[in-house]
Amino acid sequence: DSGVTQTPKHLITATGQRVTLRCSPRSGDLSVYWYQQSLDQGLQFLIQYYNGEERAKGNILERFSAQQFPDLHSELNLSSLELGDSALYFCASSVQGLTNTDTQYFGPGTRLTVL
Amino acid sequence: LAKTTQPISMDSYEGQEVNITCSHNNIATNDYITWYQQFPSQGPRFIIQGYKTKVTNEVASLFIPADRKSSTLSLPRVSLSDTAVYYCLVGDGGSYIPTFGRGTSLIVHP
Repeated sequence: DSGVTQTPKHLITATGQRVTLRCSPRSGDLSVYWYQQSLDQGLQFLIQYYNGEERAKGNILERFSAQQFPDLHSELNLSSLELGDSALYFCASSVQGLTNTDTQYFGPGTRLTVL
Repeated sequence: LAKTTQPISMDSYEGQEVNITCSHNNIATNDYITWYQQFPSQGPRFIIQGYKTKVTNEVASLFIPADRKSSTLSLPRVSLSDTAVYYCLVGDGGSYIPTFGRGTSLIVHP
């Protein structure tokens, strides 16, 4: 158990819908990362927040958005969903969010299925 | 942006030592090298991290040559439970973009 929690575990929805994925970091960690993992794309970095502020942005679509709240939990919002958005979405946290030194602790993931 | 190259897959047998090499020719001076392990449908898990020479912990060893353009993760006496995907992650020289790549799928046979 990494100490990172993600809800829900599974999500099934239809194309065109909007969903929200939630992540609670480990106690004491200030940074949260979001990743998408599909069979053909591997583990893709989406976005990182540090203490409520956006720190880095990867290949995140404009239909996707995220935020980190004052209590440090984070939400990833996915809208106008397409079939290709079906994937595992992971959240990770780290103490400071320095990519080249911080260990990232990953949550169990949310499996999103878009029908 | 440092890019990593790893073998797509490897096969081994129980009890053998496995070495997985990662190439990172453009590694920056302040970049560390971190390895993660991922089981199917689970999030990646930290294995080991190093900057230069050799690092060892209870799970693995990490060998980094002087030029730091590659690194080798060594798993001693693997078991079936070591079947997983192994990712080499290199710091990005300051741009904060973590790039995991496709990783190496290790299959351990009985």
